[in-house]
Amino acid sequence: KQEVTQIPAALSVPEGENLVLNCSFTDSAIYNLQWFRQDPGKGLTSLLLIQSSQREQTSGRLNASLDKSSGRSTLYIAASQPGDSATYLCAVEDDYKLSFGAGTTVTVRA
Amino acid sequence: DTAVSQTPKYLVTQMGNDKSIKCEQNLGHDTMYWYKQDSKKFLKIMFSYNNKELIINETVPNRFSPKSPDKAHLNLHINSLELGDSAVYFCASSQDHSGATKNIQYFGAGTRLSVL
Repeated sequence: KQEVTQIPAALSVPEGENLVLNCSFTDSAIYNLQWFRQDPGKGLTSLLLIQSSQREQTSGRLNASLDKSSGRSTLYIAASQPGDSATYLCAVEDDYKLSFGAGTTVTVRA
Repeated sequence: DTAVSQTPKYLVTQMGNDKSIKCEQNLGHDTMYWYKQDSKKFLKIMFSYNNKELIINETVPNRFSPKSPDKAHLNLHINSLELGDSAVYFCASSQDHSGATKNIQYFGAGTRLSVL
């Protein structure tokens, strides 16, 4: 059974600082790894998807890396802004379904 | 136009009642999902349907019955509601269910169910 862990559970940083969010998973036989953002009272928004054959993906200030063999992914957010405050969820797809971590709640202080 | 829409957004009901949550997607996707997010914020897959056919049923009590009248709709009916059913339920869709493709899932805004 796939288990996904995200560390830390919460993070508070001043505006402008870089963010590093970690995700680990127990079964490396995955199709892809996805990072989502969840805002209070809203659904999830897909940020980045890394296919199992890829090592990283970038979108604007976001960069996600994947080390499938060690079961780890890291999401980097450069030059954080107050609008980046949200919960970030990591999910791995295997066996035709997504398994989610509990998320990292990020607060960026102005 | 909202890509994945769920109704209602909030649902408050008594134990023992039967309720339904509706979900519609206008993305032309073949696969739809239901997830449950509990009080500890873990999102867990409940069901997935591909072209109206059940693909995944994750040991969900049979009080929960998904219905897919067409591939754009996946409704969730819950019988004999229990206190432990209180959670946020999310609907999602994706182009297909194949793990070999870039299978981004698009989520609805969620339905917060409170069972009293």
